[in-house]
Amino acid sequence: QQPVQSPQAVILREGEDAVINCSSSKALYSVHWYRQKHGEAPVFLMILLKGGEQKGHEKISASFNEKKQQSSLYLTASQLSYSGTYFCGTRRGGATNKLIFGTGTLLAVQP
Amino acid sequence: GAGVSQSPRYKVAKRGQDVALRCDPISGHVSLFWYQQALGQGPEFLTYFQNEAQLDKSGLPSDRFFAERPEGSVSTLKIQRTQQEDSAVYLCASSSARVGETQYFGPGTRLLVL
Repeated sequence: QQPVQSPQAVILREGEDAVINCSSSKALYSVHWYRQKHGEAPVFLMILLKGGEQKGHEKISASFNEKKQQSSLYLTASQLSYSGTYFCGTRRGGATNKLIFGTGTLLAVQP
Repeated sequence: GAGVSQSPRYKVAKRGQDVALRCDPISGHVSLFWYQQALGQGPEFLTYFQNEAQLDKSGLPSDRFFAERPEGSVSTLKIQRTQQEDSAVYLCASSSARVGETQYFGPGTRLLVL
């Protein structure tokens, strides 16, 4: 039931772009993206709701394909501060508010 | 305003000891969540409160784990008779009243059971 993220890890040079994918086998109500640096709390990036549009935050944007139960996170012109592990958290709707987190993608941005 | 705070930040326990982990959510947030994060893994859901009501405890791994939020604000996660497999980071998150709202995480408590 855990969403699968791809790739597992990616190394970028500053200024390069990356795409991180999150796929679920279950119907989703929303997808939440977080970035976590080593030893720190996950930091919220954005939320995509069923029926919602692609959203953006600085040079980070994301989309949600409801038919495929997939979400993609787009990082453009990457900066050193983008390094960390990215997790998608999925919510299936109904009364439960719990998030089921994906397998994670480790992103390293090098100078 | 202040974010989610957790204490202690680090806890070392001998196997068999009881531990209590505290979470102070963002003021006014009615929803509170506990997650467990093993090294190199994503957070895994443990339990969920709406105000003082524990609405979902399906993720608690055993009856040694117990959580409470008696006044609908501060929450405590208690682990009895700790085992080595309980070693992990315990994260607390809170969100506002709207269903599906963003969850904001605290810094976590890193528990090491020897």
